[in-house]
Amino acid sequence: DIVMTQTPSSQAVSAGEKVTMSCKSSQSLLYNENKKNYLAWYQQKPGQSPKLLIYWASTRESGVPDRFIGSGSGTDFTLTISSVQAEDLAVYYCQQYYNLDTFGAGTKLELK
Amino acid sequence: QVQLKESGPGLVQPSETLSLTCTVSGFSLTSYSVSWVRQPSGKGPEWMGRMWYDGDTAYNSALKSRLSISRDTSKNQVFLKMNSLQTDDTGTYYCTRDRGLLDYWGQGVMVTVSS
Repeated sequence: DIVMTQTPSSQAVSAGEKVTMSCKSSQSLLYNENKKNYLAWYQQKPGQSPKLLIYWASTRESGVPDRFIGSGSGTDFTLTISSVQAEDLAVYYCQQYYNLDTFGAGTKLELK
Repeated sequence: QVQLKESGPGLVQPSETLSLTCTVSGFSLTSYSVSWVRQPSGKGPEWMGRMWYDGDTAYNSALKSRLSISRDTSKNQVFLKMNSLQTDDTGTYYCTRDRGLLDYWGQGVMVTVSS
């Protein structure tokens, strides 16, 4: 099974800050046939279901603000929030869908 | 619009079987796959298994021996059955529309395993 490791587990931020979080997979998520990385990012706020933010490692879902930026390839991926807003305080999960599905343990954004 | 809604008992006795139903609208089960995902309180999601659009199934290897997913396309429903429940099966269970990425999620149903 592919293991997904997210760091840090939590991060204290101030509004307007740039934030980056990491997701590493135990094997490559890059499918050579189509050159796509099978990696998605989700946002989960308290009491809510996870919400899809990014797929194919860097494609924003419709309606997701452009301050959310996904990058990376192979086994190393990053979610960047260019200027954190109060409504971005949540837990962020990465998911691989290259071989069945697995999720990371999450990065929790908290207010500094 | 696309909607998914989970239903089932909130409390299950240890060693018994969990049965959940996911009722979908706004898309066809013969065009899209549906996955079940569960989440213990305060922890990350765990993918459980998938009903493919063509009727095939796939399961998390850790749950495969206890889990069964089926569907009734005429009723737009996908079913989950998991046996031999233990206390660490407690959590919120979601069904999701699955394109590999999980683009729509139900509200979830909280399941507690306790005597």
